[in-house]
Amino acid sequence: AQSVTQLGSHVSVSEGALVLLRCNYSSSVPPYLFWYVQYPNQGLQLLLKYTSAATLVKGINGFEAEFKKSETSFHLTKPSAHMSDAAEYFCAVCYTGGFKTIFGAGTRLFVKA
Amino acid sequence: DTAVSQTPKYLVTQMGNDKSIKCEQNLGHDTMYWYKQDSKKFLKIMFSYNNKELIINETVPNRFSPKSPDKAHLNLHINSLELGDSAVYFCASSQAGEDTQYFGPGTRLTVL
Repeated sequence: AQSVTQLGSHVSVSEGALVLLRCNYSSSVPPYLFWYVQYPNQGLQLLLKYTSAATLVKGINGFEAEFKKSETSFHLTKPSAHMSDAAEYFCAVCYTGGFKTIFGAGTRLFVKA
Repeated sequence: DTAVSQTPKYLVTQMGNDKSIKCEQNLGHDTMYWYKQDSKKFLKIMFSYNNKELIINETVPNRFSPKSPDKAHLNLHINSLELGDSAVYFCASSQAGEDTQYFGPGTRLTVL
């Protein structure tokens, strides 16, 4: 069965500091992995996705994530946080031919000035 | 040009009432979804439709009935509303089941 675990419901960083949001997945078949961002009172939008083409995936707004099969992880990073990065971040997993995407519980990112 | 639109944005109603939420996508996608997001931001899939056919029904109560008149629309009708139905409901679409999903702005339902 597929599942997604996001470690830390809240993460707080200072502006300019490294952002690291953790995601571990469980899937019996090669997964498609996603990171979505949700700003207040808005729908989710895609940051980046892994589809087996490359293990290091670059997304929008300077975010990137690395797929590590041995660790079943897909952590999201950004070298330098900006105030505008404050939002809710969701890791998600799906598989080929599937119509059900499983979302993690979300991590709220706070950015301090 | 909104890719995925939902109406209404806010819905406040009394327990026991029946209400509908409409969703439309202009992306030409084949697959559409309904999600429920609770107050703790947990996002749970309710239904998946592909080419107007129901694919996924995640043990949602029968009071919830989705309808897809065509590939661009997926509406959600809710009968006999309960307090626990209060949440934000998101519609989304994708080209295929495993592709990137595009979300609507959400409908905040409050049941009093």
